[in-house]
Amino acid sequence: DAKTTQPTSMDCAEGRAANLPCNHSTISGNEYVYWYRQIHSQGPQYIIHGLKNNETNEMASLIITEDRKSSTLILPHATLRDTAVYYCIVRTRGTGNQFYFGTGTSLTVIP
Amino acid sequence: EADIYQTPRYLVIGTGKKITLECSQTMGHDKMYWYQQDPGMELHLIHYSYGVNSTEKGDLSSESTVSRIRTEHFPLTLESARPSHTSQYLCASSERPAGVRNEQFFGPGTRLTVL
Repeated sequence: DAKTTQPTSMDCAEGRAANLPCNHSTISGNEYVYWYRQIHSQGPQYIIHGLKNNETNEMASLIITEDRKSSTLILPHATLRDTAVYYCIVRTRGTGNQFYFGTGTSLTVIP
Repeated sequence: EADIYQTPRYLVIGTGKKITLECSQTMGHDKMYWYQQDPGMELHLIHYSYGVNSTEKGDLSSESTVSRIRTEHFPLTLESARPSHTSQYLCASSERPAGVRNEQFFGPGTRLTVL
C-alpha cells in the first residue's frame, strides 16, 4: 500500500472549514484513499473514502486531485468536538492488506 | 454506532501476572484485529484473524497471543505482563468479503499499565 504524508498538526477556528491535506504520490490505480479520525483515547472512526471522484457525506468532503497524488479532507464547519488526530490511508480495497495508520494530523479546533 | 466492545477499559496490574483483554463484536464480522498504540504514537497491528480458527501476526512483533474460537470473540492474552507491555490496546473488526465501505470498526480500547 502507498505511503502517505500529512502535516503533523493544524489549527482551525471554530465554525470555519478545516482543510486537511494528504500527499500520496505513489498511489496506484486500484488503491482507495481512506480517512479516519481518532479522538483522544478512543478507537479510530471511519470518516470517508474515495477512489477518483470527490466524495461527500454527512461528516466531511473528500477532494482527490485529478492525478490522484494528493487529497484534501474538508470539515465544512469545524466544531470543538472535531479536535482529533486525522489519518489518511491508501490501500487496495477488499484484499488482505491491512490499514497502515501512520502518525496522522493532529487538528485542534480553537474557540 | 459500532457494536464492538472491549473489557476492561483500564487495567493496572503487577509484573508477572497473566492477563486477558476481551474483545467482542455483534456485527457478525469475520475479520478482527488487535492494534497497540502508545500515547501520541502510531497504531501498530499486532494480530489479526480472518475467521474462526484463523490467527495471524501483524506488523509489530508482540509477546501476546490471540485465539478465535467464536466469530464474535477475539481475546488477547499476555502470559506474563511486563512494564514494556504498558500501552493502549485497540480491537477492531471488518466485514469479509469487504463491504461497501470496507471500513474497520474500532472498540473503545483497553489502557493497560504494568507496574
